[in-house]
Amino acid sequence: KAGVTQTPRYLIKTRGQQVTLSCSPISGHRSVSWYQQTPGQGLQFLFEYFSETQRNKGNFPGRFSGRQFSNSRSEMNVSTLELGDSALYLCASSIRPGGQGNEKLFFGSGTQLSVL
Amino acid sequence: DAKTTQPNSMESNEEEPVHLPCNHSTISGTDYIHWYRQLPSQGPEYVIHGLTSNVNNRMASLAIAEDRKSSTLILHRATLRDAAVYYCILSGPNQGGKLIFGQGTELSVKP
Repeated sequence: KAGVTQTPRYLIKTRGQQVTLSCSPISGHRSVSWYQQTPGQGLQFLFEYFSETQRNKGNFPGRFSGRQFSNSRSEMNVSTLELGDSALYLCASSIRPGGQGNEKLFFGSGTQLSVL
Repeated sequence: DAKTTQPNSMESNEEEPVHLPCNHSTISGTDYIHWYRQLPSQGPEYVIHGLTSNVNNRMASLAIAEDRKSSTLILHRATLRDAAVYYCILSGPNQGGKLIFGQGTELSVKP
């Protein structure tokens, strides 16, 4: 089975631009979560989607948004980029939503975003 | 949110067992204890999880204290490929099932 695929692997943008990152979950997985990883803040939860609906959201500004398609693929968008948005963005998939805490998450290798 | 405490770093010798501790004194009855690890330049990788009983899988064992306020991840024979940051995470309905990562333990393995 193919793992979680994130594209692109690397991205360079300038302040004020917007960016869209893509995530293809493992076949059969219907839940997709997004995390941001920075050296200072570590790994932080952004949001979770299941059946095209956002189920959970972390403490990030509205510039960060996402969506999920009917084939479970997900995209996240960051508008009006700031220097502090430079980070590794990780996507994880699971069969079911993680609401009860008993789900295993499978992570992709991430998209490294650099904002200049 | 329920918090975990882990040592910042640990060292091990190759082919020796490794015991990675984690304290979670504020754990609730419905929180699962998860362990993930992250190798350099990769996303986190699931290692093991459990609720109350000790758990074993092909990668590791998870020993959970009777009061559930602490747990230990056991790698039975460390290899160089086990060098990674290991995260102990509580996940349950109180966290909406999301994973709240702490700083983790950086494990180095010496040949």
